[in-house]
Amino acid sequence: AQSVAQPEDQVNVAEGNPLTVKCTYSVSGNPYLFWYVQYPNRGLQFLLKYITGDNLVKGSYGFEAEFNKSQTSFHLKKPSALVSDSALYFCAVRDIGGSYIPTFGRGTSLIVHP
Amino acid sequence: GAGVSQSPSNKVTEKGKDVELRCDPISGHTALYWYRQSLGQGLEFLIYFQGNSAPDKSGLPSDRFSAERTGGSVSTLTIQRTQQEDSAVYLCASSLAWTGGNEQFFGPGTRLTVL
Repeated sequence: AQSVAQPEDQVNVAEGNPLTVKCTYSVSGNPYLFWYVQYPNRGLQFLLKYITGDNLVKGSYGFEAEFNKSQTSFHLKKPSALVSDSALYFCAVRDIGGSYIPTFGRGTSLIVHP
Repeated sequence: GAGVSQSPSNKVTEKGKDVELRCDPISGHTALYWYRQSLGQGLEFLIYFQGNSAPDKSGLPSDRFSAERTGGSVSTLTIQRTQQEDSAVYLCASSLAWTGGNEQFFGPGTRLTVL
């Protein structure tokens, strides 16, 4: 079985400060991990993914995420937040060797204040 | 190239009517997914198509929901005898499926309102 948790419904950060959006997962084997962003009235847009290799993954718009196997986490980070980063962020996991249907977290609303 | 498209973008219907939602995936993507997103909620998986294989219908909430994918491309999600609880945004996504590490590409969604 696979599951993913986003423990924060909302994250507030001031523009220019670093941001972190948390994600933890549970799989039977090894994971594929994904982050997506959803702007208002839009579909989800892919940001980055971890498949294998380097634990630090860099993606679109200056975002990055670190795969931590011992803590079963894949937190999304950005060194300096922009107001335009305000959106809904989803983490997703798929168990390698499992079904092709990823499980999504409930989403975290990121609000960047000017 | 073109992304995933969905139509209509908005649909308002009366309780008890049938509705059809359409999804055009990215050309060459063999995997197609339907999700439902209710206000303030995450993504609820509905159905998954992969090539010519039988679809995974495990997420369909009731037998009022059905979907088909013709010619391995366009997909239609049909909801019969709509209920107010069916009101949500219906999202379609496609991906390359030769390996499970492929990301999904989402359409803009269809906002369904059942009065």
